[in-house]
Amino acid sequence: QKEVEQNSGPLSVPEGAIASLNCTYSDRVSQSFFWYRQYSGKSPELIMSIYSNGDKEDGRFTAQLNKASQYVSLLIRDSQPSDSATYLCAVRGSQGNLIFGKGTKLSVKP
Amino acid sequence: DAGVIQSPRHEVTEMGQEVTLRCKPISGHNSLFWYRQTMMRGLELLIYFNNNVPIDDSGMPEDRFSAKMPNASFSTLKIQPSEPRDSAVYFCASSLRGGYGYTFGSGTRLTVV
Repeated sequence: QKEVEQNSGPLSVPEGAIASLNCTYSDRVSQSFFWYRQYSGKSPELIMSIYSNGDKEDGRFTAQLNKASQYVSLLIRDSQPSDSATYLCAVRGSQGNLIFGKGTKLSVKP
Repeated sequence: DAGVIQSPRHEVTEMGQEVTLRCKPISGHNSLFWYRQTMMRGLELLIYFNNNVPIDDSGMPEDRFSAKMPNASFSTLKIQPSEPRDSAVYFCASSLRGGYGYTFGSGTRLTVV
């Protein structure tokens, strides 16, 4: 059974700080990893994808992947109250389906 | 592009009634996925289709649940009979082959009383 694990939080950070979200996965052969953001009452939306070891930056977001440790993380720099949401880590399965963690709830305090 | 369209947005029904949820994927997408989201279990994959063919329904909780995809532009998820523990948000998502362009619909919030 392929699993994706996340700390459920809530993670609370002050406005302007760096928020660090972490995720581990069980399937060693996984190759594609995603971070989704889900606002309360809304559907998940893709914010980052990463396929290779190392860092990938997009604006205030940086995804980090370490396949040897089976670890994915998301850093949000200069956190804003509008970043308050649940962040879902996902791993692509062999048939193209996505397997999701339960999500980490982030709260950015003004 | 209208995105993935789900209906209804909200459904309240009594225990024992049949419930049908509907999904229209993005045109050109050939994979479709049904998920259920609850606070306790998170986002669970129920079933998915590639080119209208069910590939894996191991996530369907029990025989009360069934899903169909009669053509590339329409899918249904049916619960018969419904039970209070089926209360959740049900999402449909579609993607291109291999999972590229994975996009979720707005979801159906189901409440069984």
